[in-house]
Amino acid sequence: AQKITQTQPGMFVQEKEAVTLDCTYDTSDQSYGLFWYKQPSSGEMIFLIYQGSYDEQNATEGRYSLNFQKARKSANLVISASQLGDSAMYFCAMREGLNNQGGKLIFGQGTELSVKP
Amino acid sequence: NAGVTQTPKFQVLKTGQSMTLQCAQDMNHNSMYWYRQDPGMGLRLIYYSASEGTTDKGEVPNGYNVSRLNKREFSLRLESAAPSQTSVYFCASTPFGGSSTDTQYFGPGTRLTVL
Repeated sequence: AQKITQTQPGMFVQEKEAVTLDCTYDTSDQSYGLFWYKQPSSGEMIFLIYQGSYDEQNATEGRYSLNFQKARKSANLVISASQLGDSAMYFCAMREGLNNQGGKLIFGQGTELSVKP
Repeated sequence: NAGVTQTPKFQVLKTGQSMTLQCAQDMNHNSMYWYRQDPGMGLRLIYYSASEGTTDKGEVPNGYNVSRLNKREFSLRLESAAPSQTSVYFCASTPFGGSSTDTQYFGPGTRLTVL
């Protein structure tokens, strides 16, 4: 069963506007972590933001914030004031905690974001 | 501090050839991972090493072997390459490996083509 679902293969946003990238997950663990990574056209994987399952506040890192809705099992990435350099592939990932001794990550299929000038 | 390094960056193989992808990290991390990324897809875990001296299969281990040479180095070997193994390969590491909070740091990737 797919554990991370990103339903938007591609998204467009106007420069300086905000955009939300969707991510839903499925787990029976109580302890887990959710991550977002950015992959620009150059190919590297860049860590953006982390949200723990027990965190009561939504995570924020500069222009990135994570809209965490635990009951809905969603962890959407919000990028405020989009910039041209935000054009990239974005991946949502999860690490389950309890039986995951190796710290393995499960990735979604990604959303390709294009920022228009 | 180079982080996670991978060699080579590009490789072209013929079907049946073998090769080893090298990965090293200088962050004193305990856990290391090998992923593959196929076009239009997310990353899938091939093998991982939770700590020095241990290795375990991930989601797509068939056709691969790994060696955790020491704490710094984790290599991935293709014994008999197949066109289905054409992909971009990423190595990653994380400090502890046992906590859901650990962030994974990725290498730049190796783009492999098998003809």
